[in-house]
Amino acid sequence: LAKTTQPISMDSYEGQEVNITCSHNNIATNDYITWYQQFPSQGPRFIIQGYKTKVTNEVASLFIPADRKSSTLSLPRVSLSDTAVYYCLVGEGYGQNFVFGPGTRLSVLP
Amino acid sequence: DTEVTQTPKHLVMGMTNKKSLKCEQHMGHRAMYWYKQKAKKPPELMFVYSYEKLSINESVPSRFSPECPNSSLLNLHLHALQPEDSALYLCASSQDEGGVKNIQYFGAGTRLSVL
Repeated sequence: LAKTTQPISMDSYEGQEVNITCSHNNIATNDYITWYQQFPSQGPRFIIQGYKTKVTNEVASLFIPADRKSSTLSLPRVSLSDTAVYYCLVGEGYGQNFVFGPGTRLSVLP
Repeated sequence: DTEVTQTPKHLVMGMTNKKSLKCEQHMGHRAMYWYKQKAKKPPELMFVYSYEKLSINESVPSRFSPECPNSSLLNLHLHALQPEDSALYLCASSQDEGGVKNIQYFGAGTRLSVL
C-alpha cells in the first residue's frame, strides 16, 4: 500500500496558479494516482486521475515524472471557491487500497 | 448523472436509539462504500459491498450494521452508539470494486450526532 505525503496546508491568492505535490515513494506498477477535492460538510469530489506523464482536464492538470514517485496537481488561476482540502490517493482504486491521507488544506485569499 | 444521494442530511440520536442511514445511486455501479469522517480528518473506510455482497469490513464495531438490499441501495443500521461515533458518514459508489482506474463518487454525507 503506497503511503502518500502532502503539505498539510497552503495559501494562495485569487488568480494564481497553485501546485500541490504528493510524494508516493512506494508506488506499485499497477497503481494509479487520483486526486479528490472536498469542501466542508460535503463528500470528496473526483478531480483527476493519471498513471504517468501529464493529464489535463477542464479543472486541473496532473504532472507525473518518469519515476512516478511523486505527482503534482496544478490548479490554474484559482478562485475563492477553490478553498478546500485536496487528497492524493495512490492505489489500485478498490477497497483496502483506497486510503485517504491527511490531505492539503488550500486557502485562497482575495 | 453522477449523483449519490444520502438521507437524512442530519441525524441526532440517543445512545439507546436505533436509526438507519440510507444511500442510493442510479449509475449502475456495482460497488458501494461507507466511510466515517471526523472533523478535520480524512475519510476512513468502514465497509465495502461488491455486487451486493459485503467484501470488506474494516474491523468496525457491531453497533454499525450495513445492508445492501439491491445494487442501487445501501443502508447503515445504527444501534447503541456512543458519543464518539458522532461524525460525518459518507457513502460512495464505483463502477466495480476492482480495476486500476476505479473512481469513487461520494454523496454529501449524513451528519450524525450521538447524545
